[in-house]
Amino acid sequence: QKEVEQNSGPLSVPEGAIASLNCTYSDRGSQSFFWYRQYSGKSPELIMSIYSNGDKEDGRFTAQLNKASQYVSLLIRDSQPSDSATYLCAVSSGGYQKVTFGIGTKLQVIP
Amino acid sequence: DTGVSQDPRHKITKRGQNVTFRCDPISEHNRLYWYRQTLGQGPEFLTYFQNEAQLEKSRLLSDRFSAERPKGSFSTLEIQRTEQGDSAMYLCALTGAQGYTFGSGTRLTVV
Repeated sequence: QKEVEQNSGPLSVPEGAIASLNCTYSDRGSQSFFWYRQYSGKSPELIMSIYSNGDKEDGRFTAQLNKASQYVSLLIRDSQPSDSATYLCAVSSGGYQKVTFGIGTKLQVIP
Repeated sequence: DTGVSQDPRHKITKRGQNVTFRCDPISEHNRLYWYRQTLGQGPEFLTYFQNEAQLEKSRLLSDRFSAERPKGSFSTLEIQRTEQGDSAMYLCALTGAQGYTFGSGTRLTVV
């Protein structure tokens, strides 16, 4: 079982729709959860971090965490073509522990 | 500007040659990480430094790989006797308040 699981996609959504990206993790001791966006040929860029159960909103992005279900999600509202990228879910045990990444979900926003 | 400079951006080398990559944090950071990302995969942890001490190495880091951080500032990653399977993006990362900040990466192609 992989430590961080994501569907590789592609996930296609029309412009203006809500994109929902999901991730599960295996280590119940995980305490820190991250979403990174990666454009083709570029390095990952941190867009959201979440540490406690519930929702965290930042602009058009909402991260959701459910530790009991070991599940993390990212919602992107009013999706734009510029949101087309691969979204990487990442977890760590907290503090300065190394971060483990999923394979990423490729999102395509169709104009 | 990500706060982390990596050099070179691209490297093409023949199988069996040695290569060295460099990571330069713009400001002082205690912890520095190296990750490797192959096509269609998420970044995979290789090693990390606390100042000049290398504190953890992944089993992915075979004896052909060596990393140093001699003065606790810049770091180098050397691969000896490169193999085609070493072709990947090599990413340097620093810990920030909310997660990693990645450098732009070095893309290695072994022919």
